[in-house]
Amino acid sequence: GAVVSQHPSRVICKSGTSVKIECRSLDFQATTMFWYRQFPKKSLMLMATSNEGSKATYEQGVEKDKFLINHASLTLSTLTVTSAHPEDSSFYICSARDPTVGSGYTFGSGTRLTVV
Amino acid sequence: QKEVEQDPGPLSVPEGAIVSLNCTYSNSAFQYFMWYRQYSRKGPELLMYTYSSGNKEDGRFTAQVDKSSKYISLFIRDSQPSDSATYLCATSVDSSYKLIFGSGTRLLVRP
Repeated sequence: GAVVSQHPSRVICKSGTSVKIECRSLDFQATTMFWYRQFPKKSLMLMATSNEGSKATYEQGVEKDKFLINHASLTLSTLTVTSAHPEDSSFYICSARDPTVGSGYTFGSGTRLTVV
Repeated sequence: QKEVEQDPGPLSVPEGAIVSLNCTYSNSAFQYFMWYRQYSRKGPELLMYTYSSGNKEDGRFTAQVDKSSKYISLFIRDSQPSDSATYLCATSVDSSYKLIFGSGTRLLVRP
């Protein structure tokens, strides 16, 4: 089945630094990937749609300059949290769908970001 | 009104019970319906994927979609403690479009 790999699984960084999170589709090509943010005991909040070879589409209220998304290839999308602050601490998850298979989206294992 | 409504629970049942999880939605354009299971500090895992109305069964899990009433359900038979997790319903207007999630229901299966 479709496998999505997300790295790192956990990261701790200092305020003001930037952190990059990678999302890879391992056995399929994904023209579209999605990035979510999840707060404790809450549902997933869609941040942006990552489109291969073009600009990402951000949801209302998501800061484009803070959450930089790059989808440079059909198997890799990256989310960079720039100038991170403690309020950016959260669980970030990506998802992708194998268009050749009639099934739903597969999610990565998530990245827990802690900004200190 | 949220596009997808889901009771957050928690729902506590004894081992072996039949579990019924439900969601309602408001947009009649939704065509694809999914159920995900999420363990603590992990990414969601796809359990069931259905298109339009009808039933789909996979092992102990059965998904039902009633588009006339905009109601989707997930039934878990012979529930196990390992089923304890948060269950999220999700829907979409198109197979390649973004998912709209319910808030998730926390399930606890007691040994």
